Amino acid sequence: DTAVSQTPKYLVTQMGNDKSIKCEQNLGHDTMYWYKQDSKKFLKIMFSYNNKELIINETVPNRFSPKSPDKAHLNLHINSLELGDSAVYFCASSPPGSHGYTFGSGTRLTVV
Amino acid sequence: AQSVSQHNHHVILSEAASLELGCNYSYGGTVNLFWYVQYPGQHLQLLLKYFSGDPLVKGIKGFEAEFIKSKFSFNLRKPSVQWSDTAEYFCAVNAMNRDDKIIFGKGTRLHILP
Repeated sequence: DTAVSQTPKYLVTQMGNDKSIKCEQNLGHDTMYWYKQDSKKFLKIMFSYNNKELIINETVPNRFSPKSPDKAHLNLHINSLELGDSAVYFCASSPPGSHGYTFGSGTRLTVV
Repeated sequence: AQSVSQHNHHVILSEAASLELGCNYSYGGTVNLFWYVQYPGQHLQLLLKYFSGDPLVKGIKGFEAEFIKSKFSFNLRKPSVQWSDTAEYFCAVNAMNRDDKIIFGKGTRLHILP
């Protein structure tokens, strides 16, 4: 069973479109995250939710909106996509106490 | 604010060579420290972690790391690398008593020549 699963794995879309990436974890973790990895492999945290509550909201454009319907899911919706949004987006989850993350396999978003 | 610095951006070694990747962090309090590996085209996997106790931590695939508090360092080592170790390596830190956010270094690309 996949612990942290993201869909889709690849997403190619045109500028200006709205798209969503879904993430689900079956580990029973309370906290989930979205990270963005750019073309230089730099990983930057975007959001963190703990038990459906927003904990961390880094300086991310408000075109990005996370939604957590329950503690096992954290989806990422992006409005008005721009070329600079092209990256790999990783979902992750962790138990309490920062014992390390379990990452999903990533979603490669390409905006054309 | 906490930050992580990885000294080497790109390292090229031959098989059987010894490896040491540098990592320094900036935070004066108690920290949890991690090394993650990302094989080409794959997601990040935890190699090892330090929370407390013995500062020499052993991880998977023969990797180890040493926490030196006085130097704010957590260098990754492996005595003899293999071609399959070719990957991107990320050092990461979480500052205790704050949120669960883990800050990643910019990564070191390791290329092993067969």
